[in-house]
Amino acid sequence: QVQVVQSGAEVKKPGASVKVSCKASGYTFTSYAIHWVRQAPGQRLEWMGWINADNGNTRYSQRFQGRVTITRDTSASTAYMELSSLRSEDTAVYYCTRECQVWGQGTLVTVSS
Amino acid sequence: DIVMTQTPLSSPVTLGQPASISCSSSQSLVHSDGNTYLSWLQQRPGQPPRLLIYRISKRFSGVPDRFSGSGAGTDFTLKISRVEAEDVGVYYCMQSTQFPHTFGQGTKVEIK
Repeated sequence: QVQVVQSGAEVKKPGASVKVSCKASGYTFTSYAIHWVRQAPGQRLEWMGWINADNGNTRYSQRFQGRVTITRDTSASTAYMELSSLRSEDTAVYYCTRECQVWGQGTLVTVSS
Repeated sequence: DIVMTQTPLSSPVTLGQPASISCSSSQSLVHSDGNTYLSWLQQRPGQPPRLLIYRISKRFSGVPDRFSGSGAGTDFTLKISRVEAEDVGVYYCMQSTQFPHTFGQGTKVEIK
């Protein structure tokens, strides 16, 4: 069936980077965009950015510009989201989603000294 | 950025009764291609979001027909005709007409 499966929970120190993966299966990976959305504890969903899985074009929210990088590996049907210069406010569940139709299970990233 | 505002923030509902959630946007969500990219998502406790409705009123695959969406321009509504126990959760409207995509603050639907 169509699904996207994310990598496991991460604990990082302030200033570090984290890279979360999102492996797609059950469909042609390059036919759909992958978005990244995060949800801090008790907060609304927040869109971070998007990658065209076919040509690799990306678009990021200004809030994360310069800190977030979204890439993909078409041979592995996998998208990646890397967030750098982590701070405590980045503690959140990070989701990848195929055009908001199919969602990953979420990856908890905890930033703590 | 387009600001999405939902009302109410909490909606206690009796099983079998209807529920309605409103969402307004700070600017029109009509895209230059003529479509309006307003979606509704459901997030059950401890689960990722799930797409219910896209482009104002189109039900996504597998979504029960008790869920319906309506609206135009800047004002939109999600209705649940008869609330069931499995409908408990937080509902978000989302616009994808313009980057960055933005979400409402969420409406918690709970059973009275």
